[in-house]
Amino acid sequence: DSGVTQTPKHLITATGQRVTLRCSPRSGDLSVYWYQQSLDQGLQFLIQYYNGEERAKGNILERFSAQQFPDLHSELNLSSLELGDSALYFCASSDRTGPIGYTFGSGTRLTVV
Amino acid sequence: GDSVTQMEGPVTLSEEAFLTINCTYTATGYPSLFWYVQYPGEGLQLLLKATKADDKGSNKGFEATYRKETTSFHLEKGSVQVSDSAVYFCALSDNYGQNFVFGPGTRLSVLP
Repeated sequence: DSGVTQTPKHLITATGQRVTLRCSPRSGDLSVYWYQQSLDQGLQFLIQYYNGEERAKGNILERFSAQQFPDLHSELNLSSLELGDSALYFCASSDRTGPIGYTFGSGTRLTVV
Repeated sequence: GDSVTQMEGPVTLSEEAFLTINCTYTATGYPSLFWYVQYPGEGLQLLLKATKADDKGSNKGFEATYRKETTSFHLEKGSVQVSDSAVYFCALSDNYGQNFVFGPGTRLSVLP
């Protein structure tokens, strides 16, 4: 167990729907990062939050949004889903006190049918 | 911007063979370098890291040395096992452990 918890582990939904993925960071970590991993595009950085504030944005679609709550857990909202959104979505956290690297959760596998 | 390049996979080896996965980077300043491993069906796990030039990171028999002159951080293992089959990602970050950039990953398959 890495200490980063993601739920649900698997999600199957239809095109056009909206889903919410949840991430609880490792205890003490203030930063949360979201990544999308698909077969053809590798690991793509989506967005970072630090202590409730958005800090960096990567290749995140306008249909996607995220937030980090006061208890530091984060949610990634995906709307108007398309078949191409099927992927593994990872959350990672870090404590921003040194180059120790990220701690990743085990991911949510989203399948859009 | 910063970038990481890894050798194309997949890499297929027999058990007990020597492994090298090449990684080179482009970065401003003095990044920290990492290798992450992703086993089937799991998230990424930190394998090893190096934070300054000539540092050697090591873990589970894997090693990588931070070579500033060649901007490289090649991953090596002297004798691979079937259980090492996974995808390996080279990555860099700034000195605060932020702004990670990942390479595309290299899939390793080890055959018994």
